Amino acid sequence: DTGVSQDPRHKITKRGQNVTFRCDPISEHNRLYWYRQTLGQGPEFLTYFQNEAQLEKSRLLSDRFSAERPKGSFSTLEIQRTEQGDSAMYLCASSLAPSGENTEAFFGQGTRLTVV
Amino acid sequence: GDSVTQMEGPVTLSEEAFLTINCTYTATGYPSLFWYVQYPGEGLQLLLKATKADDKGSNKGFEATYRKETTSFHLEKGSVQVSDSAVYFCALRLTQGGSEKLVFGKGTKLTVNP
Repeated sequence: DTGVSQDPRHKITKRGQNVTFRCDPISEHNRLYWYRQTLGQGPEFLTYFQNEAQLEKSRLLSDRFSAERPKGSFSTLEIQRTEQGDSAMYLCASSLAPSGENTEAFFGQGTRLTVV
Repeated sequence: GDSVTQMEGPVTLSEEAFLTINCTYTATGYPSLFWYVQYPGEGLQLLLKATKADDKGSNKGFEATYRKETTSFHLEKGSVQVSDSAVYFCALRLTQGGSEKLVFGKGTKLTVNP
């Protein structure tokens, strides 16, 4: 297992277009998280899944954002009608529930989105 | 709400200097605390963690102690190396009430010169 994998690594899109990112978590991890990181800031939580259930969504996740994890394995994050303010690094992380002393979130390398 | 405040960067040190990066937090419950590191061109990696008050996390010569009385989790290293140049993020995780998210500080960029 090579860790959390995200695809694509970079995406340039025109304003108004839809984009979709994919995240493949570590295989035995049942929790999957999406974060967004803008330049000079720390990652901000967007949403998380336990298995296929989406358990929490941030207020940052507007109606244009949707995330799925249909089979409890990989996840997709779709942004509709992209805006320049959506330009950011989108990070995926996974972990093994339940949380405890020996569980931690492992992050992928992220997808950098540029909206022009 | 829950938040993490880190010292402003960037921090520039000479090799073998002592490093401290301050981190304080505000939380409604009893969080676990983390330091993550992001090397240039790479993803976030967990550096160390502490899950309860007075715990000390340590890894690769870095240490941080969970201080409940001062709500702090300062990162220290006695002698930094050029290879420690990276961005360091302090974070907390609350698991009460079903929330499992990490809340991050803004990050502190460290540059170590030879």
